[in-house]
This record gives sequence, C-alpha cells and structure tokens, in this order.
Amino acid sequence: GNSVTQMEGPVTLSEEAFLTINCTYTATGYPSLFWYVQYPGEGLQLLLKATKADDKGSNKGFEATYRKETTSFHLEKGSVQVSDSAVYFCALIAYNTDKLIFGTGTRLQVFP
Amino acid sequence: EAQVTQNPRYLITVTGKKLTVTCSQNMNHEYMSWYRQDPGLGLRQIYYSMNVEVTDKGDVPEGYKVSRKEKRNFPLILESPSPNQTSLYFCASSLTRGPPYNEQFFGPGTRLTVL
Repeated sequence: GNSVTQMEGPVTLSEEAFLTINCTYTATGYPSLFWYVQYPGEGLQLLLKATKADDKGSNKGFEATYRKETTSFHLEKGSVQVSDSAVYFCALIAYNTDKLIFGTGTRLQVFP
Repeated sequence: EAQVTQNPRYLITVTGKKLTVTCSQNMNHEYMSWYRQDPGLGLRQIYYSMNVEVTDKGDVPEGYKVSRKEKRNFPLILESPSPNQTSLYFCASSLTRGPPYNEQFFGPGTRLTVL
C-alpha cells in the first residue's frame, strides 16, 4: 500500500545550522508529495510541494526535491532559525486519489 | 480570506455524551476530510467526502459519523464518545481536480478530551 516514512525526532539544532529531515515513500504510480508544518498550538500549513519527478518545491528557505529513483523527498534548509521550531510532516497523495497519507512527523527544536 | 474553520477549538466531555464538531470552508472545495492526530501516529483519516451527499470511511472510522448536506460544511459526530477518542482533530478541504490543484487546506484543530 501507500505509505510515508520519515525520520524520528526530535531534531535539535543550533540557530544557523543546516537542516535535513529525511522522508521516503512507497506508492504506485506518480504521487504528489508535500511537506506540512505545524507550529505549536496551530493547525497544519502547507510548506512546499512537488507533483512530478525531479520537481523542487521551495518556500521560506526550505527545499525538497522529488526523487523518483530513491523514492525520497528530503526536506532541507541551509540556516535554521528559532522560529522554525515546529513539527514537520511529510505526506503524499497517490495518483488518481485525493487521500493525503502522512508520515508520523518530526519535531524540530532550534536553540539560539 | 480563504479558510477552514472548526468549532469548538477545545472540548472536554464525558463518556457517552453525544457531541458534534463543526467544520466549514469558504473555498467552494469539493473534497473534505477529517483526521485525528495522536502522538507517534501522525495524522490518520477518519472520514472523507468527495462532494455533497457523498461520504466514505477513512482508515479509522469506528465511533464516528459525518454528513455532507451542504458543500461548505462537514460536521464530525461522536454519538457516544469514549476515552480512546481523546485526540486532536483536524478538518481539511481541497479541490478534486488532481495535481497541482490537490493541496489540502487545514482547519486550526479541535482538541477533544473524553473523561
């Protein structure tokens, strides 16, 4: 079946450090891939997305590239800020469906 | 402003007392869905609706009901809540025209505690 696996957290970094959160997926066909962010006490916001192989999604300094060959969509940011502290969810929508399938989430804590 | 709203945001209730969590969107989206979020499990889909009067079970539908009488509203009903339904609930909506239009927009969440 379709599924998303992401690295367990928490990920703890100092401000201005480089961030990678790994995400791999299993899906038939060509899914759409998403990263959502949940700030403390808030709902989920779409951070970025990619809808076909080799697409790069980017927003607020975050990037992720849709890698079909490794079935991955790793989230990266060159220099994190304290305000990036949140839970990050990798997700997919399988081809020809509308169902969003989430990973378990990765908590990021950034310290000054 | 385009948004998904949920009410109430917080609710504490007792076992067996029927409750409804409302969800409304103003984006004319066809697709609406309910999720619950539990630690270590991510978000799991409870029910979804492809359009008015069309609903279907998600991955964890037991103990829940939904209805879709109007396009904008998609209430979640717990007929007889139990403590294992204590969770954080999210409503979401999207168009159904496939990528790149299938971004789901989420409500702010409802934190439910069943004693």
